[in-house]
Amino acid sequence: GEDVEQSLFLSVREGDSSVINCTYTDSSSTYLYWYKQEPGAGLQLLTYIFSNMDMKQDQRLTVLLNKKDKHLSLRIADTQTGDSAIYFCAEKIYSSASKIIFGSGTRLSIRP
Amino acid sequence: DVKVTQSSRYLVKRTGEKVFLECVQDMDHENMFWYRQDPGLGLRLIYFSYDVKMKEKGDIPEGYSVSREKKERFSLILESASTNQTSMYLCASSLGAGQPQHFGDGTRLSIL
Repeated sequence: GEDVEQSLFLSVREGDSSVINCTYTDSSSTYLYWYKQEPGAGLQLLTYIFSNMDMKQDQRLTVLLNKKDKHLSLRIADTQTGDSAIYFCAEKIYSSASKIIFGSGTRLSIRP
Repeated sequence: DVKVTQSSRYLVKRTGEKVFLECVQDMDHENMFWYRQDPGLGLRLIYFSYDVKMKEKGDIPEGYSVSREKKERFSLILESASTNQTSMYLCASSLGAGQPQHFGDGTRLSIL
């Protein structure tokens, strides 16, 4: 079945780059998404990428997609304390017009 | 910006009660979704709706029902609340198939 996997935790030093990785199983995915969830809040859409792209950059965020390996990554440059959150990777599965599958989320913590 | 509003941030109910969670979106989106989020289990889809009066079961519909009488409003109903339905409930909407989902701030529901 469809699955999206992420590591549970990542700790980085303030000012360094953070790289959050994700693997997915549905090779016919058309859209892949990154969401951010701060404590006690809902999910905020950060960025998304179409499957015919291999990179997308938006200010401090860079998304890389390797379709062959079904691997997606989110790089946050110059990580700040405000970036502390849980980051969810998600994919739109081909077999459903509307449904997307979420990973379990990666908790990013920032060390001073 | 898309605005998805959930009627309550926190709610406490008793077992056996009928509970209504309300969600409203202001962007004329076709699709609306209800998820629950539990530690270690990520987001699980309960129900979604792709049009007024249309609904589809998600991955965990048991114990829940939904109502979509108007395009902008999607209600989640716990027919007879049980303690295992204590959770964070998240509503989302999207413009159409494959489009990103936009989330409300969530309702933290406790069933005593």
